[in-house]
Amino acid sequence: AQKVTQAQTEISVVEKEDVTLDCVYETRDTTYYLFWYKQPPSGELVFLIRRNSFDEQNEISGRYSWNFQKSTSSFNFTITASQVVDSAVYFCALSGYSGGYQKVTFGTGTKLQVIP
Amino acid sequence: NAGVMQNPRHLVRRRGQEARLRCSPMKGHSHVYWYRQLPEEGLKFMVYLQKENIIDESGMPKERFSAEFPKEGPSILRIQQVVRGDSAAYFCASSPRGQVETQYFGPGTRLLVL
Repeated sequence: AQKVTQAQTEISVVEKEDVTLDCVYETRDTTYYLFWYKQPPSGELVFLIRRNSFDEQNEISGRYSWNFQKSTSSFNFTITASQVVDSAVYFCALSGYSGGYQKVTFGTGTKLQVIP
Repeated sequence: NAGVMQNPRHLVRRRGQEARLRCSPMKGHSHVYWYRQLPEEGLKFMVYLQKENIIDESGMPKERFSAEFPKEGPSILRIQQVVRGDSAAYFCASSPRGQVETQYFGPGTRLLVL
């Protein structure tokens, strides 16, 4: 069975601080994908990144960076110099096979509040 | 190229009524997935459909819920005799070849049951 754990339920930071959102996953698959999504107060899901299990290179996109470590089954997300617009719920997700079919399993989300 | 479309975006129903949620996949996509997000929770898989076929409905409640994806037209998620616990956001995603790593999400339908 697949599982995604986002232990941080809510985080508050002051604008311009750096913040890291943790994601730990469990899977028996050797090939899988990891994702991060942002859900702003408006409710839609905004795709941020997809990472293949064979690609452990860290990725940076502007103020966002991701650290994928297979050894610890973690896929952490860091926002540098946070801004108020970063306030949202962030979901980590894992794709893999469950019950014979490929599925995406979401974590419970981390609510980030950036205080001006 | 329009993205995944869902309508209505908001739906209010009284207990016992039926709710019909529609999902139009991206052009060229023949695979649709439905997810439910209960308040303060993450998304949970409900059902995976291909045109005219239900592939995997392991996440869908056995009673009152049904889904279809006809040859023509949108995919429909139908909830009969809604109860307050059905209040949630329902997201649809589509992919071109059934690979979940290439699925695109719609904006969701927020269902409120009074």
